[in-house]
Amino acid sequence: QLQLQESGPRLVKPSETLSLTCTVSGGSTSSTSYYWGWIRQPPGKGLEWIGTIYYSGSTFYNPSLRSRLTISIDTSKNQFSLRLTSVTAADTAVYYCARDLGSGIPGDAFDFWGQGTMVTVSS
Amino acid sequence: QSALTQPASVSGSPGQSITISCTGTSSDVGGYNYVAWYQQHAGKAPKLMIYDVSSRPSGVSNRFSGSKSGNTASLTISGLQAEDESDYYCSSYTSSSTVIFGGGTKLTVL
Repeated sequence: QLQLQESGPRLVKPSETLSLTCTVSGGSTSSTSYYWGWIRQPPGKGLEWIGTIYYSGSTFYNPSLRSRLTISIDTSKNQFSLRLTSVTAADTAVYYCARDLGSGIPGDAFDFWGQGTMVTVSS
Repeated sequence: QSALTQPASVSGSPGQSITISCTGTSSDVGGYNYVAWYQQHAGKAPKLMIYDVSSRPSGVSNRFSGSKSGNTASLTISGLQAEDESDYYCSSYTSSSTVIFGGGTKLTVL
């Protein structure tokens, strides 16, 4: 059974960089069949797509975050990562990593999700 | 990109059917058959319930069904059960190769 697990600091200071890693088990990030994505959810609010990456390194970003965002993949470690710079309190959220069905496009549906990790931006 | 439009809340009694709408534009919902629906219980990760407008992942009850007409997609839950009480989100692929979510709908089982 595919499992995804987010890891990284739970507390980040304003203006600093938020970095998270998603470790995949029971499946391979080097698969050509799937994409891998990040989604976040501020407390009490809805889901927001952050971005998606393919095994080749091709990336697709939320336009509202693009200038601060980098998503990368390390297939040798079966991991993909998120880096968000210049964070503010508005970036406080539960961050989820997930597998995208792909179906040839980077935005079909997320069928497997990590449990999520709460990241707070505060001094 | 603006969020897809969903009703903030819907409700129904056990055994009844309810429908949740998800309205977008011709650049997302109306332009592609890549609409998905997620169920999210409080404090839990979302669960995929419908993908590609009307397909159900293995293990999802056939009480859940999806459809689309023009720029509006719909999730119907028949034979409503107490365990269906949850938040539901739609999502769609867009013409900019991005993903957009709806604002979410809280389903209350009366």
